[in-house]
Amino acid sequence: GQQVQQSPASLVLQEGENAELQCNFSSTATQLQWFYQRPGGSLVSLLYNPSGTKHTGRLTSTTVTKERRSSLHISSSQITDSGTYFCAMEPDYGNEKITFGAGTKLTIKP
Amino acid sequence: NAGVIQTPRHKVTGKGQEATLWCEPISGHSAVFWYRQTIVQGLEFLTYFRNQAPIDDSGMPKERFSAQMPNQSHSTLKIQSTQPQDSAVYLCASSLAGNTLYFGEGSRLIVV
Repeated sequence: GQQVQQSPASLVLQEGENAELQCNFSSTATQLQWFYQRPGGSLVSLLYNPSGTKHTGRLTSTTVTKERRSSLHISSSQITDSGTYFCAMEPDYGNEKITFGAGTKLTIKP
Repeated sequence: NAGVIQTPRHKVTGKGQEATLWCEPISGHSAVFWYRQTIVQGLEFLTYFRNQAPIDDSGMPKERFSAQMPNQSHSTLKIQSTQPQDSAVYLCASSLAGNTLYFGEGSRLIVV
């Protein structure tokens, strides 16, 4: 089945630094989404980006479909950015099953 | 738009008892997904429906888990003879075709 691998597993940064999160997937994707989860909270969609580059606020996602990878860049990180970031993909072979990576736990220190 | 609604938010059940979890998707969304989240296993796909029809239940433990979507406004996940290893947060999500997935707050199930 399809696999989604995220790196790093955890990342600790100082407030104001930029964060770079990576996602690699085993098959070409028609759908690629980034989600955020605060401890004890639900999953919130950040960006829907099956290809190319998309921005929202301090977030930038770049997906290179043929290379089966996506990245999420967080600029000028804030303490409230702390949490776990998940990458999720839907393969392009007709099955809508969306598979999640294991997540990157981001901790922003003051 | 109330978002995806899941009930109950928390449930404690004794080993061997039955647990039923409910999900109300966002109105107009055609796909409903169920996932299970634990610290050890992460986010596991269980099953999904499109236009109320079950499409893929490859993630469901076959013997004790079942899911239904009797109408477009709700789906249920039923776990029979619950076991401690079923303890998890069960997440429901809905989407329009090929679009952003919206999650509910989840139902935390604890089997004692």
